[in-house]
Amino acid sequence: QSALTQPASVSGSPGQSITISCTGTSSDVGSYNLVSWYQQHPGKAPKLMIYEGSKRPSGVSNRFSGSKSGNTASLTISGLQAEDEADYYCCSYAGSSTSGVVFGGGTKLTVL
Amino acid sequence: EVQLVESGGVVVQPGGSLRLSCAASGFTFDDYAMHWVRQAPGKGLEWVSLISWDGGSTYYADSVKGRFTISRDNSKNSLYLQMNSLRAEDTALYYCAKVAVVGATWDYFDYWGQGTLVTVSS
Repeated sequence: QSALTQPASVSGSPGQSITISCTGTSSDVGSYNLVSWYQQHPGKAPKLMIYEGSKRPSGVSNRFSGSKSGNTASLTISGLQAEDEADYYCCSYAGSSTSGVVFGGGTKLTVL
Repeated sequence: EVQLVESGGVVVQPGGSLRLSCAASGFTFDDYAMHWVRQAPGKGLEWVSLISWDGGSTYYADSVKGRFTISRDNSKNSLYLQMNSLRAEDTALYYCAKVAVVGATWDYFDYWGQGTLVTVSS
């Protein structure tokens, strides 16, 4: 399996918006509406932020939004806050029992 | 409250074996598929294995196929990962993760445990 491609790092100032991209292929991101995004603070377990590309679980701030175009999914965080500083991972179903689930390499978000 | 608690992680020599456990509570365990996901120190997340709600279907990443075996005991609300022929590259924090949708297999994870650390070293 090949990992999905994410930028290694992004940064923004409090109050600004940032977008993290997640590029896959027509065999994973492009074929299924099964992209999810996870936030991970240091030493903590991942937390679900977005599922099925653009849906937010109960309890997740509406400052977090997701979208998809072709083989690329995106996570946008608006109104950046200090507590948003974390690693973010995208994840997609990869379409077969031999590929399973693929994750992006992760993006470190720094709030300046 | 949903809780997933992993255990069994230790330091093991290359070629050795280990069994990880994940104790689940706060939900109807046998309604949901479960996954193992690992994270090498300082690295990203890597999917390892999946087992369906009834244990009838199992899937593995190519990197562990033939060496790892996932299983579950629904009477004990527990998930397991038997790890054989361990390699240095298997060193990681191993998380169990619950699939969000009843009966679904390849779906997103709504709860994760805190992980158990496996170190493969001589």
